[in-house]
Amino acid sequence: DSGVTQTPKHLITATGQRVTLRCSPRSGDLSVYWYQQSLDQGLQFLIQYYNGEERAKGNILERFSAQQFPDLHSELNLSSLELGDSALYFCASSSPQGAGNTIYFGEGSWLTVV
Amino acid sequence: GESVGLHLPTLSVQEGDNSIINCAYSNSASDYFIWYKQESGKGPQFIIDIRSNMDKRQGQRVTVLLNKTVKHLSLQIAATQPGDSAVYFCAEKGGGYQKVTFGTGTKLQVIP
Repeated sequence: DSGVTQTPKHLITATGQRVTLRCSPRSGDLSVYWYQQSLDQGLQFLIQYYNGEERAKGNILERFSAQQFPDLHSELNLSSLELGDSALYFCASSSPQGAGNTIYFGEGSWLTVV
Repeated sequence: GESVGLHLPTLSVQEGDNSIINCAYSNSASDYFIWYKQESGKGPQFIIDIRSNMDKRQGQRVTVLLNKTVKHLSLQIAATQPGDSAVYFCAEKGGGYQKVTFGTGTKLQVIP
């Protein structure tokens, strides 16, 4: 158990809908990362937050947004869902900034868009 | 039917043999590297890491080698076991707020 908690574990929704994925980082971790992994694909970086502020952005679609709250949990919002958005969405966290801080992953949220 | 998705390179090894998984990284400014193991349907699990001021680091049954000259990283697994079967990803990170970038991944299949 990495200590990173993601909910829901599985989600099935229709095209055009909007969903919110939630992540609780490990205790004490200030950084939260979101990644997308499609079938047999690598991990695509979406976005990173540090102590509530956006720090780095990857190839995140405009239909997607995220935020990190004062209690450090984070949410990834996916809207106007398309079939191609079906994927595993991972949250990861790490301790305060700097090189050498290991990033720990949650078990992911399986999103299926039908 | 038509297959979709990226075809991962696969390494097949006999149980008990040593495995070597290679990774080429892209950013010469990266100063921290991590190897992850991902089993089917699960999140990536941390295996071992190494900072750029080192060229070798050993853990339990695993060794990571870093060659900054050619931007190459390798993971060696000693006495490979069936439970080692998974996809292995290398990841690189720059200093400060740099994002963590993952490699394509290698599927390790252990033959009993």
